Amino acid sequence: EDQVTQSPEALRLQEGESSSLNCSYTVSGLRGLFWYRQDPGKGPEFLFTLYSAGEEKEKERLKATLTKKESFLHITAPKPEDSATYLCAARGPGTYKYIFGTGTRLKVLA
Amino acid sequence: GAVVSQHPSRVICKSGTSVKIECRSLDFQATTMFWYRQFPKQSLMLMATSNEGSKATYEQGVEKDKFLINHASLTLSTLTVTSAHPEDSSFYICSARLAGGWGDTQYFGPGTRLTVL
Repeated sequence: EDQVTQSPEALRLQEGESSSLNCSYTVSGLRGLFWYRQDPGKGPEFLFTLYSAGEEKEKERLKATLTKKESFLHITAPKPEDSATYLCAARGPGTYKYIFGTGTRLKVLA
Repeated sequence: GAVVSQHPSRVICKSGTSVKIECRSLDFQATTMFWYRQFPKQSLMLMATSNEGSKATYEQGVEKDKFLINHASLTLSTLTVTSAHPEDSSFYICSARLAGGWGDTQYFGPGTRLTVL
């Protein structure tokens, strides 16, 4: 069964303390790995799409990478405004539906 | 670009009434839209896939007569919660699929908080 697992479930960082969030997937024939940021009471905000192993994308303090089994979201020198839930999703072949992980709740302390 | 809106953002209704939620893609056409439900501190649960001009496809366990979906144009999909009850209270989020060659991306609306009294 196709599955997406995120870890850790929650993460507290001090401002400036870099870290990585993990997204493991078991989706045959991956057609896309997606990262979103969700603030409380709001819809997910698109961050990145990755399609093939070895691909990397960056945006400000965030960098997403992809291997054949997992994706990482690296956060460099985070700020309190980076606090949010980060969601990972995967799409397999023959469908437009996404399989979502349960998210990582990130709290960055000033 | 790729902005999706939802209306209303918040609705409170009495038990037994019906509530309609609109989802619009503002700057792109979306042949496919999705409706999700999210419970507190949980991830998104897909309810149905909405295709323009055809019947929606519902996920297992979602009552199609309870959650009516209409995708009448390439920029608008609506979700109607019929005869709402307190257990239908939740955060409903739509997304619109922006197609792009081999890949595609879902862009999400801001969500609608439904409270049924």
